[in-house]
Amino acid sequence: GAVVSQHPSRVICKSGTSVKIECRSLDFQATTMFWYRQFPKQSLMLMATSNEGSKATYEQGVEKDKFLINHASLTLSTLTVTSAHPEDSSFYICSASRPGQGNYGYTFGSGTRLTVV
Amino acid sequence: AQTVTQSQPEMSVQEAETVTLSCTYDTSESNYYLFWYKQPPSRQMILVIRQEAYKQQNATENRFSVNFQKAAKSFSLKISDSQLGDTAMYFCAFMKQRRYTNAGKSTFGDGTTLTVKP
Repeated sequence: GAVVSQHPSRVICKSGTSVKIECRSLDFQATTMFWYRQFPKQSLMLMATSNEGSKATYEQGVEKDKFLINHASLTLSTLTVTSAHPEDSSFYICSASRPGQGNYGYTFGSGTRLTVV
Repeated sequence: AQTVTQSQPEMSVQEAETVTLSCTYDTSESNYYLFWYKQPPSRQMILVIRQEAYKQQNATENRFSVNFQKAAKSFSLKISDSQLGDTAMYFCAFMKQRRYTNAGKSTFGDGTTLTVKP
């Protein structure tokens, strides 16, 4: 099946610094990837849709300048949390699906636990 | 806009028994897909089962099956012969059918935490 790798799995950073999270599709080319944020024991909150070669589409209420998304290749999307603050601490997950198989559901990355101190 | 409701925040079941997780949704779409995803304590989301709205036959994947009632907009998940490894948070999700079948946005329910007891 489709494999999506997410890195790092855990990161601790100081307040005010930036953190980059990578999401890679290992065995397929993903023209679209999705980024989510999840609080403990809560649902996935879609942050943005990452489109290869074009600007990401952000959900309402998500700050574009704070959560920078780059989808520079067909296998890699990155989420950069800029000027991180403790309230940005959360679990971030990416997902993708094989081209032409979007109706078959997503494959998810393993998630990144971000702690801002 | 679509909404997905999971009315059971937490459930528990004895090992080897059967449990049913509820999900209802609201949409004006006629063509769509429904999914159940599992998120175990490792937090790795895994697709459990998928149902196409145009199919009347309920989907089945080994011990997992669904009861899809399109008119009632209900999509419940039945887990038979529950195993300890089934302990996880389960999310019901809705996706509109897309013409070119590239990935579309899904709407997720709030999740049901299932605990399988030995």
